[in-house]
Amino acid sequence: DADVTQTPRNRITKTGKRIMLECSQTKGHDRMYWYRQDPGLGLRLIYYSFDVKDINKGEISDGYSVSRQAQAKFSLSLESAIPNQTALYFCATSDYSGGNYGYTFGSGTRLTVV
Amino acid sequence: SQQGEEDPQALSIQEGENATMNCSYKTSINNLQWYRQNSGRGLVHLILIRSNEREKHSGRLRVTLDTSKKSSSLLITASRAADTASYFCATDEDSGYSTLTFGKGTMLLVSP
Repeated sequence: DADVTQTPRNRITKTGKRIMLECSQTKGHDRMYWYRQDPGLGLRLIYYSFDVKDINKGEISDGYSVSRQAQAKFSLSLESAIPNQTALYFCATSDYSGGNYGYTFGSGTRLTVV
Repeated sequence: SQQGEEDPQALSIQEGENATMNCSYKTSINNLQWYRQNSGRGLVHLILIRSNEREKHSGRLRVTLDTSKKSSSLLITASRAADTASYFCATDEDSGYSTLTFGKGTMLLVSP
């Protein structure tokens, strides 16, 4: 099994619908992140969580919400999807203990809003 | 806002040649990291260099960091077709937020 699993892999939804993207990890990391990737814009941070009780907004949080259900689970919701939220969404984890700061990414969810 | 900016945006070379990608950033950092992304897949961590380090090696990868110029370079020696991917630099800013800010990436094409 992958260290960081994202579901679904692909999703097409209609404008105005609520949609949830899920992320689970087996790394045992406390820190989890949601990024979106758009062509030519690189990755931009949506939300991040340093532990179960900690949720923080990133650079582009408007229109999104998150829930950290457990150390291993971090879900991203689009309350009312709009076409410019069409993008590739990545969940990532990290652990600062031992000085290992690299992120582990999931395989991504390709979301299309029509 | 984007912290790192990679240069060039795209690079095309032949197998066996070296590939050099550059990254410039704007603010003080704790460390700088390089990631690889194969088409549409998740990013993979390649190497991390701390702000007090100037050069680091990992296999065919060599990373340099010049904090006075706020720039870093990634050198891939003896490139292979399998190195074809997008490469991103990411900075851990010295601002207390402890999240990574990614650049827009360099697309590397290695032809057989």
